[in-house]
Amino acid sequence: GENVEQHPSTLSVQEGDSAVIKCTYSDSASNYFPWYKQELGKGPQLIIDIRSNVGEKKDQRIAVTLNKTAKHFSLHITETQPEDSAVYFCAASLNTGTASKLTFGTGTRLQVTL
Amino acid sequence: KAGVTQTPRYLIKTRGQQVTLSCSPISGHRSVSWYQQTPGQGLQFLFEYFSETQRNKGNFPGRFSGRQFSNSRSEMNVSTLELGDSALYLCASSPLGLLPGETQYFGPGTRLLVL
Repeated sequence: GENVEQHPSTLSVQEGDSAVIKCTYSDSASNYFPWYKQELGKGPQLIIDIRSNVGEKKDQRIAVTLNKTAKHFSLHITETQPEDSAVYFCAASLNTGTASKLTFGTGTRLQVTL
Repeated sequence: KAGVTQTPRYLIKTRGQQVTLSCSPISGHRSVSWYQQTPGQGLQFLFEYFSETQRNKGNFPGRFSGRQFSNSRSEMNVSTLELGDSALYLCASSPLGLLPGETQYFGPGTRLLVL
């Protein structure tokens, strides 16, 4: 089955700096890679996603890059703010046409300090 | 449009008991997936339901089961609870769960504590 590794497990940055979180996946057939943000006491919320036919996607301060050959994808947050502090999860999904499921990374706890 | 709702939000049970958790998907969504979240194992896929049928299943023992009703609402049941079942149980819905890249929307979860 699919295996997703995520690094680092914790990340502390100063407000205004950039943050980068990296993930690798094992199944080359995976074709969808979402990123979720989970705040304390809440369920994961989708912040950005990328499909396997795209190399990069950007949404304001958040961007995701995908390297299919190397089987890795990254989340980039620029101009970090205190409200960006949360746990971030990457995931990989394989849609077989009959079913789909998300395999998650182990999470990165991002702390943005003033 | 209302989001995914889960009830109850918190639950305390003792070992050996059983528990039923409920999930109401976003209106119009027909696919419901369940995940278990623990500090040690992270987010792990339990199963997915679509049109009242289990379509995909993770690697959990048979004590974990689920069902989906005709209105797409779903329940999951855990029988003979063990201490290790203490976790946040998350439900996610999507329109069909089939299309490549279909987004899953998560509910707030039910936090289960087994004593």
